[in-house]
Amino acid sequence: QVQLQESGPGLVKPSGTLSLTCTVSGGSMSGHYWSWIRQPPGKGLEWIGYFHYSGSANYNPSLKSRVSISIDTSKNQLSLKLTSATAADTAVYHCARRNCYKTRCPLDYWGQGTLVNVSS
Amino acid sequence: DIQMTQSPSSLSASEGDRVNITCRASQNIANYLNWYQKKPGNAPKLLIYGASNLQSGVPSRFSGRGSGTDFSLTITSLQPEDFATYYCQQSYSTPITFGQGTRLEI
Repeated sequence: QVQLQESGPGLVKPSGTLSLTCTVSGGSMSGHYWSWIRQPPGKGLEWIGYFHYSGSANYNPSLKSRVSISIDTSKNQLSLKLTSATAADTAVYHCARRNCYKTRCPLDYWGQGTLVNVSS
Repeated sequence: DIQMTQSPSSLSASEGDRVNITCRASQNIANYLNWYQKKPGNAPKLLIYGASNLQSGVPSRFSGRGSGTDFSLTITSLQPEDFATYYCQQSYSTPITFGQGTRLEI
């Protein structure tokens, strides 16, 4: 059973960089796309971007200038960096596996999420 | 961006009821539509992919249908554990987008 667990600071100062890690267990990262999705308090889900194990990335245009996603297959970890953070970036951040071996590439495994507050 | 609109935004039902949640895309997405269940503090759970394919381990009381722009998720014989928020998501093109969610309440 694949499991994902997010970790990182729960508090980031405005204009700082939000950095999170997602550790994948129970399966290999090879062959899949690895995604970040966030949910601001009281709002819906927003896709941030994904990274394929081959090295290609795709980001939400609304965040593209500030976001970077990478993976370390030797550690089975996915990382997220979001620069110039503002209060609008306060959210629960989830990592998820995008599985294109299933038709229409659903997000079939998700982490529980970690809350990040952007505040001074 | 493809806009996904769910209705209703919230829904009250009782155990044993049958409920239907709809999702409309702002353009034709064929069957690139997935459904998720989310409970507070929990990881979202994939229910349906490709509009109508039941994810392994998901009870058969969940079903999905639709193509093009109009989709639906049906839950027959509601169980206590089904009270949650449901999201549709299009995987037709990036940016990947989600509906605003439908909160299913007792």
